[in-house]
Amino acid sequence: SAVISQKPSRDICQRGTSLTIQCQVDSQVTMMFWYRQQPGQSLTLIATANQGSEATYESGFVIDKFPISRPNLTFSTLTVSNMSPEDSSIYLCSASGLPAETQYFGPGTRLLVL
Amino acid sequence: GESVGLHLPTLSVQEGDNSIINCAYSNSASDYFIWYKQESGKGPQFIIDIRSNMDKRQGQRVTVLLNKTVKHLSLQIAATQPGDSAVYFCAESAAGGTSYGKLTFGQGTILTVHP
Repeated sequence: SAVISQKPSRDICQRGTSLTIQCQVDSQVTMMFWYRQQPGQSLTLIATANQGSEATYESGFVIDKFPISRPNLTFSTLTVSNMSPEDSSIYLCSASGLPAETQYFGPGTRLLVL
Repeated sequence: GESVGLHLPTLSVQEGDNSIINCAYSNSASDYFIWYKQESGKGPQFIIDIRSNMDKRQGQRVTVLLNKTVKHLSLQIAATQPGDSAVYFCAESAAGGTSYGKLTFGQGTILTVHP
């Protein structure tokens, strides 16, 4: 299984600002994903991070709010833009190799927006 | 879209007992299922998976059962230990097309193991 790290592990931000979360995998993987987990709730897929091309967003999530990059097979970033208190959540990165359905998760980034 | 849900949001057991966590799924096209364990302050940890061509799969102290007829998935933990206390999520994936590789998560069950 892949080992996934995220930075920062947590942050407290002011509304209106933006935060970029980094995700690093220790081996080459086929797919990378970003999820949001609101307090006490399950995981919701934000988007699939595609290498060298625009991310594929799920319903309810847009590129202007959550721009994503994936410059290579082992690294991706998620930016939470123009933050509001409603963006306070845990943001999780996941990656899969083969089979592509088996996803492994990073430790998450705990974001609090004031 | 299709959703995966759980029957019981909380489960309390005594140390040494066997635990059963249930999950219902609604997408008949789902062909791959995973159970994750999430401890407080951590990301979900892979426990065990099963494909739709199987009814049962066993791991270390855990067994996953799949009943495709009624679209039901369960996770059995044998001799539950305090370290098993966590939130357990089921997730499902449908093969092919735009859904390939994507997981849909259930709501989660909180398992509490009392010493």
